[in-house]
Amino acid sequence: EAGVAQSPRYKIIEKRQSVAFWCNPISGHATLYWYQQILGQGPKLLIQFQNNGVVDDSQLPKDRFSAERLKGVDSTLKIQPAKLEDSAVYLCASSPGGGAFFGQGTRLTVV
Amino acid sequence: QKEVEQDPGPLSVPEGAIVSLNCTYSNSAFQYFMWYRQYSRKGPELLMYTYSSGNKEDGRFTAQVDKSSKYISLFIRDSQPSDSATYLCVGGSARQLTFGSGTQLTVLP
Repeated sequence: EAGVAQSPRYKIIEKRQSVAFWCNPISGHATLYWYQQILGQGPKLLIQFQNNGVVDDSQLPKDRFSAERLKGVDSTLKIQPAKLEDSAVYLCASSPGGGAFFGQGTRLTVV
Repeated sequence: QKEVEQDPGPLSVPEGAIVSLNCTYSNSAFQYFMWYRQYSRKGPELLMYTYSSGNKEDGRFTAQVDKSSKYISLFIRDSQPSDSATYLCVGGSARQLTFGSGTQLTVLP
């Protein structure tokens, strides 16, 4: 069974630039999460989708972050404009219900 | 107060030792609990999943949940250097998964 795919693996951008991350979840998983993980901390939920609807985006900084999940499958997370404090690993996870399965993450460095 | 509290460590043990990793939680809405293992520069990997109070064993790993005291534990028997990683405890409800900050474990050969 293929796992959660994320791209790119690494990204370096300057502050105020924009960036987009892509996630392809495990086939058939209705729930998709985007988490932000800062070094030394546990993952923090940014947004949760159930199929193509948003379940929870209460911790998403909506002035600069946006996410969509078209057709209830793939998802993209965008940051525009990026700030230095956005440097983190962005993890995508999917779940059929219950436990979530994570991708390898995208490591973003904002300079 | 964080919903899931976890001692960040770091914790170093000799190979073969029994490791005990612990978390407390405050959200009574959590219906299930999980432990994830995260190697450096990798995504978290689901290790254990439990619904109810009590113990669940899988090989060298035992997850323990005590809902009355809101306490969850992970025991690793006969620890190996390959167990060196960060261990994350998670409380789950119908709406979301809440992660602890992780405990960094090093098993010394």
